[in-house]
Amino acid sequence: AQKITQTQPGMFVQEKEAVTLDCTYDTSDQSYGLFWYKQPSSGEMIFLIYQGSYDEQNATEGRYSLNFQKARKSANLVISASQLGDSAMYFCAMREAGRDSGYSTLTFGKGTMLLVSP
Amino acid sequence: DSGVTQTPKHLITATGQRVTLRCSPRSGDLSVYWYQQSLDQGLQFLIQYYNGEERAKGNILERFSAQQFPDLHSELNLSSLELGDSALYFCASSRGAPDGPTANEQFFGPGTRLTVL
Repeated sequence: AQKITQTQPGMFVQEKEAVTLDCTYDTSDQSYGLFWYKQPSSGEMIFLIYQGSYDEQNATEGRYSLNFQKARKSANLVISASQLGDSAMYFCAMREAGRDSGYSTLTFGKGTMLLVSP
Repeated sequence: DSGVTQTPKHLITATGQRVTLRCSPRSGDLSVYWYQQSLDQGLQFLIQYYNGEERAKGNILERFSAQQFPDLHSELNLSSLELGDSALYFCASSRGAPDGPTANEQFFGPGTRLTVL
């Protein structure tokens, strides 16, 4: 089974509207972290937001918020008041702690392409 | 600008060749991670180093190897290149140990785009 599932290959939203990008994950770890990254057409990966599995509050960073529903294993990204510059590929990722020597790796979903129209 | 630098930005080479990709982490970051992004495989973790020591391996081929030097920069060596190795290779860094609390945020470099002809 995929560890990170992003079911929306593409999303369209109008400027100034809010949009939710879906992400579900699969892990048996109790301690894990969930991340969202943005990749514009220029190619760089930009960190947006982080949610720890033990965090009780949903993470927020400016116009980005993470709707964390632990029981449903979902970590949806909400972008409020979309801007044209938000057009990009968005990746959900999960960090799981290693079991032997202690390490963490990021597993990425396949991404959702968001297009913001005027 | 994340503070992570990668060179070169673009690399075009032929099948069978060997290349070296270089990464300098953010100042003070001890952990370095390498990822490969291709159209068919998506973004995949390759290998991870902490303070010069290999900590984890992901989907890294035997033809690929990496190391982290005492000054904390890292190099990814790709040999016997095949057409399918064409991809964007990212390096990322984080402050502390990979399993520590400061490992939460990984900062990515701009990537090296490798084209194998």
